[in-house]
Amino acid sequence: KQEVTQIPAALSVPEGENLVLNCSFTDSAIYNLQWFRQDPGKGLTSLLLIQSSQREQTSGRLNASLDKSSGRSTLYIAASQPGDSATYLCATYNNNDMRFGAGTRLTVKP
Amino acid sequence: EAGVAQSPRYKIIEKRQSVAFWCNPISGHATLYWYQQILGQGPKLLIQFQNNGVVDDSQLPKDRFSAERLKGVDSTLKIQPAKLEDSAVYLCASSSTAGTFVYNEQFFGPGTRLTVL
Repeated sequence: KQEVTQIPAALSVPEGENLVLNCSFTDSAIYNLQWFRQDPGKGLTSLLLIQSSQREQTSGRLNASLDKSSGRSTLYIAASQPGDSATYLCATYNNNDMRFGAGTRLTVKP
Repeated sequence: EAGVAQSPRYKIIEKRQSVAFWCNPISGHATLYWYQQILGQGPKLLIQFQNNGVVDDSQLPKDRFSAERLKGVDSTLKIQPAKLEDSAVYLCASSSTAGTFVYNEQFFGPGTRLTVL
């Protein structure tokens, strides 16, 4: 059974700092891995989707990498802004089964 | 394109009461999901529908939870009777289809926050 872990559970950084969020998973047989953003009281918004054959995906200040063999993914946020404050979740997908991590709660201080 | 709609947004009930949540997926999306997200945890799939048929309900506590999607569009999730541990956000998502080796992006609604006192 796939288990997805995100460390740290919470992170606070000053505005402008570059940061990395970590995601690890126990079963490397995944079809893809997705990073989501969740604002308080809101649903999930998809940020980046990495197919199993890909190593990374980029969107604006966000870059996500995937290393299936080691069961790890990272989300890199460049030049963080207060508007980036939210909870970031990663999820693996395989065999019609999506598994989420518990998320990292990010606070970017002005 | 309208997103996934859910109501109510918030609900507070006492234990042993009943509650129902409603979801309207994106138009044309055949697959609908209900997730439970307990505070501090990631979402956990409760039930998945393909049109009006159940694809997966292995993690649905069937002694108290039920869900239906009678016409293959809207869906309702019911809890009867509620327990304290049911306090969570209930998220609905939809996708155009689903399959073992095919992934179609899931779009999430804003969720319903349930508090059981």
